[in-house]
Amino acid sequence: EAQVTQNPRYLITVTGKKLTVTCSQNMNHEYMSWYRQDPGLGLRQIYYSMNVEVTDKGDVPEGYKVSRKEKRNFPLILESPSPNQTSLYFCASSLVGGAPLHFGNGTRLTVT
Amino acid sequence: GIQVEQSPPDLILQEGANSTLRCNFSDSVNNLQWFHQNPWGQLINLFYIPSGTKQNGRLSATTVATERYSLLYISSSQTTDSGVYFCAVLISSGSARQLTFGSGTQLTVLP
Repeated sequence: EAQVTQNPRYLITVTGKKLTVTCSQNMNHEYMSWYRQDPGLGLRQIYYSMNVEVTDKGDVPEGYKVSRKEKRNFPLILESPSPNQTSLYFCASSLVGGAPLHFGNGTRLTVT
Repeated sequence: GIQVEQSPPDLILQEGANSTLRCNFSDSVNNLQWFHQNPWGQLINLFYIPSGTKQNGRLSATTVATERYSLLYISSSQTTDSGVYFCAVLISSGSARQLTFGSGTQLTVLP
């Protein structure tokens, strides 16, 4: 089944403890991206990747890192999480940048 | 950056009613997509519609790129249509492909 898989679904952590949210797609998509969703603000793009080793900042990249070493994986790294990064995070992919987007099921992160 | 505005922000319908959701954007875009976020939080792609009209069952969408708006029509609404509807626009500039979402329309369909 074609899908975008994020893990974990839920994560509670403490301020400053590094964490990684994984994202994997099995559709051989070139484009992958990360979003955060906050009440009243909709979805905001954090980072995106046009292909392996090609990444770029979205609207809200501060406090996040990404890497794209393989085509199928696009992990989101929070080196030193803070409470204002408590949010619902989505990973998405598309065949190429601008093509129809497919979303993962989301990761709800709480930073205390 | 580009502004994407959706209206109305909230909509409550009785089952069987029709509705129109609107998405306005402030600049030329390369494409536009509509998504439905169901009550469990899943985001489903409804339409990829940079221009023109598309239909999928009870849903249809029209984008008039020259006038910078898109409409999503829901006919004979069902309770399963409840959730948040987002439009998202893409601006391509050089190698950049940045996607901007509107803040959504919360739809509640009552039985």
